[in-house]
Amino acid sequence: KQEVTQIPAALSVPEGENLVLNCSFTDSAIYNLQWFRQDPGKGLTSLLLIQSSQREQTSGRLNASLDKSSGRSTLYIAASQPGDSATYLCAVRPHQAGTALIFGKGTTLSVSS
Amino acid sequence: GAVVSQHPSWVICKSGTSVKIECRSLDFQATTMFWYRQFPKQSLMLMATSNEGSKATYEQGVEKDKFLINHASLTLSTLTVTSAHPEDSSFYICSAFSAGGSTDTQYFGPGTRLTVL
Repeated sequence: KQEVTQIPAALSVPEGENLVLNCSFTDSAIYNLQWFRQDPGKGLTSLLLIQSSQREQTSGRLNASLDKSSGRSTLYIAASQPGDSATYLCAVRPHQAGTALIFGKGTTLSVSS
Repeated sequence: GAVVSQHPSWVICKSGTSVKIECRSLDFQATTMFWYRQFPKQSLMLMATSNEGSKATYEQGVEKDKFLINHASLTLSTLTVTSAHPEDSSFYICSAFSAGGSTDTQYFGPGTRLTVL
C-alpha cells in the first residue's frame, strides 16, 4: 500500500530564506506527483505537477524535483515571503491515470517578517 | 483552469440529522469524482471514488450506508452524511478528474466544513 511521508511536519523561517520541503513515497510505481498549498480552513491550490517521466518542474520561486527510483520529491522555495505561510501537501497518483491521489500529512510553513 | 465548486461551504447540524454536500464541475465533464475527508492537522483521506452512472467504490473503513454518494450526471456528485454524529465533524473535499491530452489532473473543490453538535 502506497504511503506518503512529509518531513518536517512544521517549519518556521525568517523572510528571505530558501527552504526545502521533503516528500517520500513507498511505492515507486507512480503515475505522477503533485504539490499543493492549503491555507487554514481552505481548499487546495495546485502548485506543481511532475509526471513520472520528468525530473523537475518550476513555477516562479518554486521548484519541485522527483527521483522516482528512490521514492523522493523535494519542493524548493526560494526567497521565502510571509505570504508563503501555509501547509504544503505532497500527493502521488498510483500507477495509472484516473486513480485518486494519496496525500502526505503536509508540512506547515511559517515565514516571519 | 477547470473549476470545481462545493455547496455548502460550511454547515452546522444537530446529531442525528442528515446533511447533503454537492460537488460540481463547472466547465468540464467529470466521469470520475473523489470524496476526501480531512480531520484537523491530518492529511486528506480518500473516502470513495464515484463514477458517473455507477455505484461508488468506498475505501476500507468507510461506511457506505452512512456516507451516501450519488453521481447522477457528468457534472454533479453528492455526498450525504446520514444520521450525522459529532465524530463526523470534518472538512470534506471533493475532486473531479479531467482526462485529456498528455496529462490528467484532479481539480479540487474548496471544501465543506461540517460541524455536528
